[in-house]
Amino acid sequence: NAGVMQNPRHLVRRRGQEARLRCSPMKGHSHVYWYRQLPEEGLKFMVYLQKENIIDESGMPKERFSAEFPKEGPSILRIQQVVRGDSAAYFCASSPPSTRTDTQYFGPGTRLTVL
Amino acid sequence: LAKTTQPISMDSYEGQEVNITCSHNNIATNDYITWYQQFPSQGPRFIIQGYKTKVTNEVASLFIPADRKSSTLSLPRVSLSDTAVYYCLVEGGLSDDYKLSFGAGTTVTVRA
Repeated sequence: NAGVMQNPRHLVRRRGQEARLRCSPMKGHSHVYWYRQLPEEGLKFMVYLQKENIIDESGMPKERFSAEFPKEGPSILRIQQVVRGDSAAYFCASSPPSTRTDTQYFGPGTRLTVL
Repeated sequence: LAKTTQPISMDSYEGQEVNITCSHNNIATNDYITWYQQFPSQGPRFIIQGYKTKVTNEVASLFIPADRKSSTLSLPRVSLSDTAVYYCLVEGGLSDDYKLSFGAGTTVTVRA
């Protein structure tokens, strides 16, 4: 079984550009979560999605950040007009529909560097 | 979300047992205790979860005393590859407990 897949693993953007991060959950998992980890800090929750629905986006910055999990294809975390402070590791996690949502399976992360 | 406190770092040598204790004084009745492991440049990996007494799997053991105000993750006979950050989380599996709260964790360094 393939685990949670994220791509790209590393992404470099200049200030003002857009960053698109993709996450494919584990097979059979319908819950997707995005977290951000700043250098030397723990992971912080950003958003929780199910297919075609945003369940909780309370951890997302109010501007420039958006997420989706379409019926077909991977979940996308989109950051518009990136700034240097967006440089971080972004992790996606997934969980199956019938289990506790506090047991999550994480991908390898996308490391975003904003120049 | 119950607050947890764990040591910032621990050092050990190959073949030793490593015990990491986590304090969670205000744990709620429906809260479970979960430990994750994170290697550098990787996402966290679920290790073990328990509610009370002792839980054991192929990776670790989790000891939870009767009052549940603390828990101890035990890693038997560690190797160099066990060097990682270990996070203790307390979640209830209800409402918004999908918002896993990762603190600084405990950095375990295993030396030869």
